[in-house]
Formats: sequence, structure tokens, C-alpha cells
Amino acid sequence: QKEVEQNSGPLSVPEGAIASLNCTYSDRGSQSFFWYRQYSGKSPELIMSIYSNGDKEDGRFTAQLNKASQYVSLLIRDSQPSDSATYLCAVIRGSARQLTFGSGTQLTVLP
Amino acid sequence: KAGVTQTPRYLIKTRGQQVTLSCSPISGHRSVSWYQQTPGQGLQFLFEYFSETQRNKGNFPGRFSGRQFSNSRSEMNVSTLELGDSALYLCASSPGLARDEQFFGPGTRLTVL
Repeated sequence: QKEVEQNSGPLSVPEGAIASLNCTYSDRGSQSFFWYRQYSGKSPELIMSIYSNGDKEDGRFTAQLNKASQYVSLLIRDSQPSDSATYLCAVIRGSARQLTFGSGTQLTVLP
Repeated sequence: KAGVTQTPRYLIKTRGQQVTLSCSPISGHRSVSWYQQTPGQGLQFLFEYFSETQRNKGNFPGRFSGRQFSNSRSEMNVSTLELGDSALYLCASSPGLARDEQFFGPGTRLTVL
């Protein structure tokens, strides 16, 4: 079982729709959860961090965390073509300071 | 604040050579982590430095090493390069606490021929 799993996609949504990206993790000691966006040929860009159960909203982005079910999700509302990228879920386990990444979900927003 | 900078941006080396990559973190950040990204393995953690000390190390061979200077700038070195070392090497900067967000630099694209 991979430590962090994401649906590899690709995921396609029409412009203006809600894109839903999911991630599960195996270590119950995981404390910190992050979503990064990576455009082709670029480095990952942090878009959301979440540490407690529930929802966290930032503009068009909402991160959701459920520690009991060991999943974290990212919702992108009013998706735009500029949101087309690979979205990486990352987890910090316990007291370690290293990010463990999922393999990423490639999102395409169709005009 | 200026972001994380990495030099050089691109490198081409041949097998058996060694290479040194450099990273300057965000001003005030004391932790620098290095990651390797390849199409097959994705993003993998190499090591983390804080206050000139390696605090954490990933599962990579001893050919991969690093160091951090008193100004928090960090270098990573790969000796005896292999074809499989071709990758995007990313440096991430954070203040240094366990839950801190990490911010990535633009990366160094290393090609080993």
C-alpha cells in the first residue's frame, strides 16, 4: 500500500464546474496535509495546507480533511482553464519534517 | 520577500562525473529540504538541513550528500553520476518547525548522458 494515494486521472471538467481531487494516506500519525499545483515543466506551488478535521476555504479552493477516514480532498470551484495542472497531495507524518507525496492527479479544464 | 532560488537551472553531465547544486531559501527560513522528481518515482525526499545540521534523510545512496551554510544556503552533491540520476532536483524552504509549509524553488534539471 502506498503511503499517499491519489487518483492518477486524468480528470477533465468543463470550465465553470467544480473539480474534486481526492487523496488517501496510510499513516494515522500524519499531522499535516498539503496540496500543491504543478504546471508542466515548473516546480510545485503550494496552494493549500490543512491540519484539522473539517473544511478550509481559500478563494475558489476548499480543502477537506477527515482523519478518521484518512482522506483529504481538494475542491476547485468555478474551474478555469488556467487551473489545468497536476495536483499533488503531500503529507507530513508524525514529527518528521519530510513531505511524502502522492503521484498526482492531472486536471484539465476544458473551455 | 524573494522566493527560493536554485542554481544552475539546467545541467548536463556524463556518467561518473559529480555535480553540485545550490539553493538559497526564503529570507528568514532556516530549513532547506531537497527532493528528487522523476516521471517513474514521482517526488521523493532526499534530506533536510536545519541550522547547518542534517535532521532527516531519505532512502538514497551515499552518493547523494548535502550541506548547509551559516546563512542557510544549502548545496547538494551527487558523486559518480548514473543515468538514473537524471531528474528535476527541487529545494524547499521552510521556517523549520515540523508542521511548517514548504515552498519550492524552480528546480535544477539534471541530465546524465
